[in-house]
Amino acid sequence: DTGVSQDPRHKITKRGQNVTFRCDPISEHNRLYWYRQTLGQGPEFLTYFQNEAQLEKSRLLSDRFSAERPKGSFSTLEIQRTEQGDSAMYLCASSLGLGRDYGYTFGSGTRLTVV
Amino acid sequence: ILNVEQSPQSLHVQEGDSTNFTCSFPSSNFYALHWYRWETAKSPEALFVMTLNGDEKKKGRISATLNTKEGYSYLYIKGSQPEDSATYLCASMNSGYSTLTFGKGTMLLVSP
Repeated sequence: DTGVSQDPRHKITKRGQNVTFRCDPISEHNRLYWYRQTLGQGPEFLTYFQNEAQLEKSRLLSDRFSAERPKGSFSTLEIQRTEQGDSAMYLCASSLGLGRDYGYTFGSGTRLTVV
Repeated sequence: ILNVEQSPQSLHVQEGDSTNFTCSFPSSNFYALHWYRWETAKSPEALFVMTLNGDEKKKGRISATLNTKEGYSYLYIKGSQPEDSATYLCASMNSGYSTLTFGKGTMLLVSP
């Protein structure tokens, strides 16, 4: 297992377009998280899955954002009608349980720029 | 919303200097405290997961302590090297929350 993979690494899109990001977690990890990081801030929680169930969504996650994790494997994060304020680094992480033993394993992130 | 604070925001030291950062977090209903190192263009990497009051953990030249009663953790780097240059993030998990809440990080630059 090569760790958590995210695709694409970079995405430039025009305002109003839809974008979709993909995350492939470590296969044994049952939990998958999406975070967003903007300049000068720490990673902010967006949503997480336990297996295929989406258990929590942040108030930051407007109805333009949707995430899925079909069959409890990879996950996608879609942003509809992108706005300039959506420009950020989108980080995916996975963990076995709460990550109490080894923490979260992060991907390298997808950097979104909305122009 | 949990409030996790880190200080300083940034730090510039010379190679060989020892340094330390602070993370403060809510002490009520504490569950776990994580430290991550995030190098530019790489993934955040877990350094330590700490759960018990008084915990001290060490990995090479890096060590961390935890005080859950007063809600703070220190990260120490002994004899800093240029390869230690990174952003160091701490994150807290408290009962009632299922995920980590991160601080803004401390950006460390070590000059040769």
